[in-house]
Amino acid sequence: NAGVMQNPRHLVRRRGQEARLRCSPMKGHSHVYWYRQLPEEGLKFMVYLQKENIIDESGMPKERFSAEFPKEGPSILRIQQVVRGDSAAYFCASSPPDTVYEQYFGPGTRLTVT
Amino acid sequence: QKEVEQDPGPLSVPEGAIVSLNCTYSNSAFQYFMWYRQYSRKGPELLMYTYSSGNKEDGRFTAQVDKSSKYISLFIRDSQPSDSATYLCAMKHGKLTFGQGTILTVHP
Repeated sequence: NAGVMQNPRHLVRRRGQEARLRCSPMKGHSHVYWYRQLPEEGLKFMVYLQKENIIDESGMPKERFSAEFPKEGPSILRIQQVVRGDSAAYFCASSPPDTVYEQYFGPGTRLTVT
Repeated sequence: QKEVEQDPGPLSVPEGAIVSLNCTYSNSAFQYFMWYRQYSRKGPELLMYTYSSGNKEDGRFTAQVDKSSKYISLFIRDSQPSDSATYLCAMKHGKLTFGQGTILTVHP
């Protein structure tokens, strides 16, 4: 059973460009979570999605950030007009529907904004 | 005040030592308590989770929860160099809230 997959692993964007981060959950998992990890800080919750639904986006910045988990395909975290402060590691996690406290993390996407 | 406080360390111990990692929290609504291990440049890996106060053992690892004191611990017995990583506590009420992480180095 493949683990949570994220791509790209590393992404470099210039200020003002768009960043699209993809996450494929583990097989059988229908819940996806996105987290951001800044240097010297812990993981910060951003958004919780189920297929075609945003369940909790209380950790998402109000502007420039959006997330989706379509019926088919991976979950996407989209950052528009990136700024240097968006440079961080972005982790996706997934969980099966009956044990939502057991989240399995992907390897992360390291975004660098130049 | 942060909802979850964790001493960032770093913590350096000799091989074979007993390691104690701790977190305190302020939100009494937290229901599940987890410990994750994160190697450098990797994603966090779930080590243990507990629901109630008390101890839970898994091999060399023991997780302890004291809800009355709002305090959780992870003990690692007979620590190995391969245990060198960042250890993150996490707590759940709705969403997961993580501590800052403690950097642990075990010297051969």
